[in-house]
Amino acid sequence: SQTIHQWPATLVQPVGSPLSLECTVEGTSNPNLYWYRQAAGRGLQLLFYSVGIGQISSEVPQNLSASRPQDRQFILSSKKLLLSDSGFYLCAWSSTTGLYGYTFGSGTRLTVV
Amino acid sequence: AQSVTQPDIHITVSEGASLELRCNYSYGATPYLFWYVQSPGQGLQLLLKYFSGDTLVQGIKGFEAEFKRSQSSFNLRKPSVHWSDAAEYFCAVGPSGAGSYQLTFGKGTKLSVIP
Repeated sequence: SQTIHQWPATLVQPVGSPLSLECTVEGTSNPNLYWYRQAAGRGLQLLFYSVGIGQISSEVPQNLSASRPQDRQFILSSKKLLLSDSGFYLCAWSSTTGLYGYTFGSGTRLTVV
Repeated sequence: AQSVTQPDIHITVSEGASLELRCNYSYGATPYLFWYVQSPGQGLQLLLKYFSGDTLVQGIKGFEAEFKRSQSSFNLRKPSVHWSDAAEYFCAVGPSGAGSYQLTFGKGTKLSVIP
């Protein structure tokens, strides 16, 4: 069966520090991968999605970037964190058609101080 | 462009009472529809999905949802709510054509349950 792993679960980082959040999927190949952010009371905001290795689409211009170095690995990064980057970050995967919905990771709570 | 509206930001019900969470969508074709649940500090879990066929779909944890094309709705229901159902619920509408794969999510409805 397919599983998705996301880490770390919680992270407290100072303003201006770098960020790296990792997400990996097991049990499937060539998944679509997604990074979402949740701010309190603001629903799900799609940040990036990827349909293949090295293929990244950005939905919202911001202080973050994403990379997909391997088929089942998706990384969210920042060179210098801002206070506004605080939030709950979710990784998700779907089949190439997305017809069966998304499967989400357990999330990372990022607090920038 | 497709869109999803969840009109209720927050709903409070008593344990044992029935529940209905509303979801309205805007989509140019036959939609694929989903309900997800999110417990505090957790990821989203799929409750149920509708692709075609019977418009009343059953999901996990005793939830069901009914697709009503004429009303562009996909409301989530549960006959008797348990305290453990307290969570946030998201409705989503999905692709139905080749080459399209993204879901559009509603902003969520937070459910509180009074013991």
